[in-house]
Amino acid sequence: DAGVTQSPTHLIKTRGQQVTLRCSPKSGHDTVSWYQQALGQGPQFIFQYYEEEERQRGNFPDRFSGHQFPNYSSELNVNALLLGDSALYLCASSPFSGYGELFFGEGSRLTVL
Amino acid sequence: GQQLNQSPQSMFIQEGEDVSMNCTSSSIFNTWLWYKQDPGEGPVLLIALYKAGELTSNGRLTAQFGITRKDSFLNISASIPSDVGIYFCAGPTGANSKLTFGKGITLSVRP
Repeated sequence: DAGVTQSPTHLIKTRGQQVTLRCSPKSGHDTVSWYQQALGQGPQFIFQYYEEEERQRGNFPDRFSGHQFPNYSSELNVNALLLGDSALYLCASSPFSGYGELFFGEGSRLTVL
Repeated sequence: GQQLNQSPQSMFIQEGEDVSMNCTSSSIFNTWLWYKQDPGEGPVLLIALYKAGELTSNGRLTAQFGITRKDSFLNISASIPSDVGIYFCAGPTGANSKLTFGKGITLSVRP
């Protein structure tokens, strides 16, 4: 049973560019959430997708957007990259009716130069 | 917004020792979660607590949900080298998958 898979694992971009990160949830999970983890910090909630719609959003600007596909996989897009967007981006999946027990992928390490 | 406080930032123990870490909040949480993150990996759920006063074990790990619902404790007994990592407490705020995390405690175990 595959867990949460993310791609790419590492990428380097320059300021102003756009990036797309991808996530496949754990089998049986229908809800995908994205988190940003800066160095030395805990993960911070970006947004949650369920039934192909954004259901909740954290304190992130509109440059951060996402999508969920009918097979429950998801993408995170970040436009007009800033140096401060450099971080580990974590995808987490769960059943919608769960109690907060999230299963995380290994993350995508984004470096913005 | 709700914040979870973990301190100290780092802990250093000898292999075989027990270690306890706590997490506090100024707000009430109805669920407490403890995650561990190894280098280059995503966080992995260790223990979930759902009821005030609840004490739950997972192998050498024991966690408690504080009576006030504003704190939680994680204890690791007889530490081993693979216990090295970052330990986060977390709790849901709003949607179940919207977790607030503490800043984490980095645990080092000396052989």
